[in-house]
Amino acid sequence: GENVEQHPSTLSVQEGDSAVIKCTYSDSASNYFPWYKQELGKGPQLIIDIRSNVGEKKDQRIAVTLNKTAKHFSLHITETQPEDSAVYFCAASRPGTDKLIFGTGTRLQVFP
Amino acid sequence: DGGITQSPKYLFRKEGQNVTLSCEQNLNHDAMYWYRQDPGQGLRLIYYSQIVNDFQKGDIAEGYSVSREKKESFPLTVTSAQKNPTAFYLCASTTSRTDTQYFGPGTRLTVL
Repeated sequence: GENVEQHPSTLSVQEGDSAVIKCTYSDSASNYFPWYKQELGKGPQLIIDIRSNVGEKKDQRIAVTLNKTAKHFSLHITETQPEDSAVYFCAASRPGTDKLIFGTGTRLQVFP
Repeated sequence: DGGITQSPKYLFRKEGQNVTLSCEQNLNHDAMYWYRQDPGQGLRLIYYSQIVNDFQKGDIAEGYSVSREKKESFPLTVTSAQKNPTAFYLCASTTSRTDTQYFGPGTRLTVL
C-alpha cells in the first residue's frame, strides 16, 4: 500500500550546523510533498512544500529537494537555531485524492 | 482572527463513555479532516469530509463517528467502541483548489 518512510527518527545538531531529514514515498503518482513542524502540545504548522514539477524550493534557511526518479525528498535546515527544535513531519499526496500520507516524524534537537 | 479552533484542549473520559471533540474553521475551507497522533507514529486519518453533509472513512475509522452539518464545523465523536482512545487528536482543513492542509491546535484525550 501507499507508504512514506522518514529518517532519522531523532536528530541532534549543534547550533549553527545544518540538519537534513529524508523521506521516501512509494507511489510514483504522488505530486505534492509538504513538510510540517510540530512543537510540543501544538498542531503541525506547514513550513514548506514542493510539487512534482519542481526539483528544489528554498525559503530563507529552509529548503526542500525532490528526486522523482528515486521517489525521495529531503528537508534541509541551515544555520540551525534552538527554536528550530521540534518534531518535523513529511507527507506525500495520495494520487487522485486530496488526502496526505504522513511520515513517522523526526525529533530535531538543536543544542546551543 | 482566522483559523482552525479545537476544543477542549484537554479532555478526560471514563471508559464506556462517548465524547465529542469540536473542530471549527472560519477559513471558508471546503474539506475537513480528523487525524489521530500517537507517540512515535505519524498522523493517521480517521475521517474526512469534502462537502457539507458528506464524509468518508479514513484508515482508522472504527470506533469513531463524525457529522458535517455546516461548512465551518466537523465534530468527532469517540465512542465506547474505540478500544484505545487515549491520543492527541488533530483537525485540519483545506480548500478545493489546493491540497495544502492547515491544522488546528489539537485535543489531548485521556481515558481514565
